[in-house]
Amino acid sequence: SQTIHQWPATLVQPVGSPLSLECTVEGTSNPNLYWYRQAAGRGLQLLFYSVGIGQISSEVPQNLSASRPQDRQFILSSKKLLLSDSGFYLCAWTDRDTGELFFGEGSRLTVL
Amino acid sequence: GQNIDQPTEMTATEGAIVQINCTYQTSGFNGLFWYQQHAGEAPTFLSYNVLDGLEEKGRFSSFLSRSKGYSYLLLKELQMKDSASYLCAVMDSNYQLIWGAGTKLIIKP
Repeated sequence: SQTIHQWPATLVQPVGSPLSLECTVEGTSNPNLYWYRQAAGRGLQLLFYSVGIGQISSEVPQNLSASRPQDRQFILSSKKLLLSDSGFYLCAWTDRDTGELFFGEGSRLTVL
Repeated sequence: GQNIDQPTEMTATEGAIVQINCTYQTSGFNGLFWYQQHAGEAPTFLSYNVLDGLEEKGRFSSFLSRSKGYSYLLLKELQMKDSASYLCAVMDSNYQLIWGAGTKLIIKP
């Protein structure tokens, strides 16, 4: 069966510090991978998606970046965090047959 | 533009029935999803509708009318554990998911 895992679960970082959130998927090959952000009281905002190794599409211009160094690994990064980067970050993959989206546990980032 | 509208918050009583509506305007349509999200947790899949009509899964049912751009999620025999946010999402012509802001459902004893 497929599993998705992301870490860390909780992060408190000062403004201007770097960020690295990591996500891995097991039990499937060549998945479509996504990074979403969910701000309090708002819908899920798609940040990046990837259809393969090294293929990243950015949906929202910002100071975040994503990389996919391996087929089942997806990393969200920032060189300098802003206060507005605070939120709940979710990694996800889709079943290509059904389109169903499966989410990781989420990473809550607080930038102070 | 593309948008998904659903009520911000609803309150219902344990044991009762509640209907959460979702209307959408998207560029193309490749299906509508409902997800449940408990506070502080990731969303979990509830249902998927791509054809008009009602899909039933135990206490939960989801309805779709493509001509009206409308869906609802029906929850029966409400339990306290059903207190959560319910997210409506539509897959557009590019197979990207467009998300509503979610409906926070509060269940009272």
